[in-house]
Amino acid sequence: AQSVTQLGSHVSVSEGALVLLRCNYSSSVPPYLFWYVQYPNQGLQLLLKYTTGATLVKGINGFEAEFKKSETSFHLTKPSAHMSDAAEYFCAVSDRVDRGSTLGRLYFGRGTQLTVWP
Amino acid sequence: NAGVTQTPKFRVLKTGQSMTLLCAQDMNHEYMYWYRQDPGMGLRLIHYSVGEGTTAKGEVPDGYNVSRLKKQNFLLGLESAAPSQTSVYFCASSYSWGPDTQYFGPGTRLTVL
Repeated sequence: AQSVTQLGSHVSVSEGALVLLRCNYSSSVPPYLFWYVQYPNQGLQLLLKYTTGATLVKGINGFEAEFKKSETSFHLTKPSAHMSDAAEYFCAVSDRVDRGSTLGRLYFGRGTQLTVWP
Repeated sequence: NAGVTQTPKFRVLKTGQSMTLLCAQDMNHEYMYWYRQDPGMGLRLIHYSVGEGTTAKGEVPDGYNVSRLKKQNFLLGLESAAPSQTSVYFCASSYSWGPDTQYFGPGTRLTVL
């Protein structure tokens, strides 16, 4: 099964500072890559995803992520944090090849809670 | 267009009781999923369905059953609830697999005493 590692369960930044949330995946065949955000007491919504093509992907709310095959990483960044960015962020992957009834499954990391200080 | 809706939003059960969680989507999606979210564990897949009348086990299926009698609905059942099933349950749906976005419902917070 896929394995997704998010370094840092909690990240704190000041308003206006750079946001960097780290995500690494385990498979030798690069999977489809996703970042989801969860605001308090809500479901998850898609921030951005990488499927093919350009490795720098732009998402909603000023976030972007870069797929680096050599590092098996898909880190999420935002140049300037806003108070409204405070939420939990999940990296997720989905297989490109069938590893035995795995197609369609999303494998989630454990999440990173982002706190933004005024 | 309501997207993915879940019923109920909150529920408290006693050990051994049964209940059914309902998920409905109005996007004509083929794929539907049930996840549970526990602190520090991310989301884990319980069961999923690739179309009406089909279901399959995910990572943590024990203690749960599901049914997909209609394309738009996906039911999650707990026959005999246990305290270990205290969690937040999320339903999701997608048009297809792989790169397709999964759309999530607002969640059901279940407490088993």
